[in-house]
Amino acid sequence: QVQLQQWGAGLLKPSENLSLICGASGGSFSGYYWSWIRQSPGMGLEWIGEISHRGSTNYNPSLRSRVTISLDTSKNQFSLQLHSVTAADTAVYYCARQINYGSGYMDNWGQGTLVTVSS
Amino acid sequence: VMTQSPVSLPVSLGERATINCKSSQILLYSSKNKHCLAWYQQKPGQPPKLLISWASTRESGVPDRFTGSGSGTDFTLTISSLQAEDVAVYYCQQYYSTPLTFGQGTKLEIK
Repeated sequence: QVQLQQWGAGLLKPSENLSLICGASGGSFSGYYWSWIRQSPGMGLEWIGEISHRGSTNYNPSLRSRVTISLDTSKNQFSLQLHSVTAADTAVYYCARQINYGSGYMDNWGQGTLVTVSS
Repeated sequence: VMTQSPVSLPVSLGERATINCKSSQILLYSSKNKHCLAWYQQKPGQPPKLLISWASTRESGVPDRFTGSGSGTDFTLTISSLQAEDVAVYYCQQYYSTPLTFGQGTKLEIK
């Protein structure tokens, strides 16, 4: 059973960049997609984007201009960067393993990181 | 767009709970003849937990009182006999196309 552990800064000021990392242990990194999802009271669960084990990415159009998801296969880690955050980006951010057939569903989730954007 | 109903569902212990999810598009994945619909359970302070994929395939370890059904654009999650540990928010999610989208959630509580 893969375990996902995520970490990163939890308090940001407006216009700063959000950066989170997720590490996968106890399972294979290859052959899967890896995704980021966020959850806020106002927006519910929102899929941010995915990266394949080969490094190809796909982002939610609503965030595409500000999002970068990248991969470090040597460390079994993937990361999320969200640029120029505002208060609307305040949410719990989750990383997840995604089982893809074209698109996919998430069978393993990280514990979540609360990110608060406030001046 | 995924639309769940009801938003809140009070059910007595031992009774049946039914949660509905409607998609704005048909979710049939033709090559597998299955529907791209997943159900998740989320308890307070925890991440969502995958219960069902492909509209009706229960994940390993999920009690058989949880059943997913439906086709086309209309899907249902049924809990046959509500247990206290089933109190949670339940979400449906379509994976027919990106961006992946979730329903707004149904809060299941004890009546």
